[in-house]
Amino acid sequence: DAGVIQSPRHEVTEMGQEVTLRCKPISGHNSLFWYRQTMMRGLELLIYFNNNVPIDDSGMPEDRFSAKMPNASFSTLKIQPSEPRDSAVYFCASSRSRTGGFYGYTFGSGTRLTVV
Amino acid sequence: DAKTTQPNSMESNEEEPVHLPCNHSTISGTDYIHWYRQLPSQGPEYVIHGLTSNVNNRMASLAIAEDRKSSTLILHRATLRDAAVYYCIRTGDEKLTFGTGTRLTIIP
Repeated sequence: DAGVIQSPRHEVTEMGQEVTLRCKPISGHNSLFWYRQTMMRGLELLIYFNNNVPIDDSGMPEDRFSAKMPNASFSTLKIQPSEPRDSAVYFCASSRSRTGGFYGYTFGSGTRLTVV
Repeated sequence: DAKTTQPNSMESNEEEPVHLPCNHSTISGTDYIHWYRQLPSQGPEYVIHGLTSNVNNRMASLAIAEDRKSSTLILHRATLRDAAVYYCIRTGDEKLTFGTGTRLTIIP
């Protein structure tokens, strides 16, 4: 089991550019979660999918952020256009349940995004 | 919505037991208690979870109060590798929401 795989590990981009973060969940997990972590706000849930369908995107900060899950083994989080305040570590997590109540979540190693 | 309350920080000596407390006074009967930890520069890592009974695994033990309004994560013999932020989360039919956690420092 390779765990949750995120790419890239680090991304530095200029303000206004499009950024795409990628995630491969654990095989057999049917829920996928995108979190963002900053010093000021801690870990925030942005969006989560169940069976490839977006269930709750209330944490997505604004229309510049979008997420897709075209199949059970791949998800993307896109920021267009990027702004310096988007600088953060973005984590992807997957679970066998949408609630995490019983099975819990497995997190990836994160993507550190810096927008200059 | 502060669903759990944890101390901001704790210190412990290496090779001694560590007891990390968590209060969750508004817990419902179906809510699980989860503990995650986040090592420096890594994603959160599952530690343990329970519902009513005390739980043990290779990483830690979880002691849950009889009224379930509080719990304690027990690291039986702390090592330097246990230095991390520890999150206590109660969750039932909802996604995991992380608070600020307890930053554990291990003193050599």
